[in-house]
Amino acid sequence: EVQLVESGGGLVQPGRSLRLSCAASGFTFDDYAMHWVRQAPGKGLEWVSGISWNSGSIGYADSVKGRFTISRDNAKNSLYLQMNSLRAEDTALYYCAKDSTGAAAGSFDYWGQGTLVTVSS
Amino acid sequence: AIQLTQSPSSLSASVGDRVTITCRASQGISSALAWYQQKPGKAPKLLIYDASSLESGVPSRFSGSGSGTDFTLTISSLQPEDFATYYCQQFNSYLSYTFGQGTKLEIK
Repeated sequence: EVQLVESGGGLVQPGRSLRLSCAASGFTFDDYAMHWVRQAPGKGLEWVSGISWNSGSIGYADSVKGRFTISRDNAKNSLYLQMNSLRAEDTALYYCAKDSTGAAAGSFDYWGQGTLVTVSS
Repeated sequence: AIQLTQSPSSLSASVGDRVTITCRASQGISSALAWYQQKPGKAPKLLIYDASSLESGVPSRFSGSGSGTDFTLTISSLQPEDFATYYCQQFNSYLSYTFGQGTKLEIK
């Protein structure tokens, strides 16, 4: 059974940093691209960042470019999101999602339950 | 960036109804479109990929169609468990994905 378990969320002050993690199991992690998608309270889905199977291709939404960094450790079956210079508008539930391809060119066939990030003073 | 516009934004329907949700892309995306269902407090669930392919385990009352800029999700006969919010997503633009704004399907 595919499982994606996010962690690392919490309350953080504006301008500070936070690192999210996603532990994957139930599939061959290093065969697939992975993504972070967020959802602000009461709002829709926003793709944040994605990374190909070998970290060779990485992309970011314009809203986080230059502030967030995605990475993965295939030996640990883990995905990460380093979030710096956090803003109030980054407040959201952050989901880890598995791509259906290795190249980050497909739909998202499995999702975690999310970790909540709240940016507030 | 490619924009996706869903219509309607909300919809009231009854059990047994046939329902269609539309997603329009701001430029052609071939068949690189997916549909997701999200229930309150839950993660999104993939329903349709590549515009018209049914994800494994998804009931056959769900179907998708379209290519280029215009796409539809159809539920042939609404069931009580189908009341949720539906999102389209494009993956044609490499590592620059977008979602539609969502369509909330409510019980009439």
